[in-house]
Amino acid sequence: SQELEQSPQSLIVQEGKNLTINCTSSKTLYGLYWYKQKYGEGLIFLMMLQKGGEEKSHEKITAKLDEKKQQSSLHITASQPSHAGIYLCGADRGSTLGRLYFGRGTQLTVWP
Amino acid sequence: GAGVSQSPRYKVAKRGQDVALRCDPISGHVSLFWYQQALGQGPEFLTYFQNEAQLDKSGLPSDRFFAERPEGSVSTLKIQRTQQEDSAVYLCASSLTSGIGETQYFGPGTRLLVL
Repeated sequence: SQELEQSPQSLIVQEGKNLTINCTSSKTLYGLYWYKQKYGEGLIFLMMLQKGGEEKSHEKITAKLDEKKQQSSLHITASQPSHAGIYLCGADRGSTLGRLYFGRGTQLTVWP
Repeated sequence: GAGVSQSPRYKVAKRGQDVALRCDPISGHVSLFWYQQALGQGPEFLTYFQNEAQLDKSGLPSDRFFAERPEGSVSTLKIQRTQQEDSAVYLCASSLTSGIGETQYFGPGTRLLVL
């Protein structure tokens, strides 16, 4: 079962456009992780958010965790073909062992 | 090594065969996780090791699945009498320590196809 809801399920944008992917949880998040996955490859760590209201950026990718710590968004500015892939959010629900619960992912296609 | 490695990368098995999947975590990482990712789904937790101790195996789908990490480094996930529903990508992840806020670094996965 999937603990997190991601939207949209897929996204097709033209190169240069901005886009946002959302991740919603029905339970409070202790930590929220964003990963990127390309077909046939493992998950590449992007960012981790822990505090309500926290925002982090890396290159053209910005992730935010809302104040209530139940929703996160991932925003890509001026998308490029290299941004294409599956974006997964993973939730840390406070287990001392650190297991993550993942959404189904958002498939991003960027066409030139 | 520089990252988490897994072998084999691809495995085709006939239904009923036993398979063994290997994970080499980042050197010095205490925690090791196994996840199963079905087509079109996010990864789902299988089991967790802290050093050589298997502290959580609640995600293993049946008693045909068995994992070990005898020396606290390399781990093996074994599936006995494979079934078609076992077809998936098996991902291994490691983190430096355990607990909240520790980033998990994933390997490339083993893609298992059971015919």
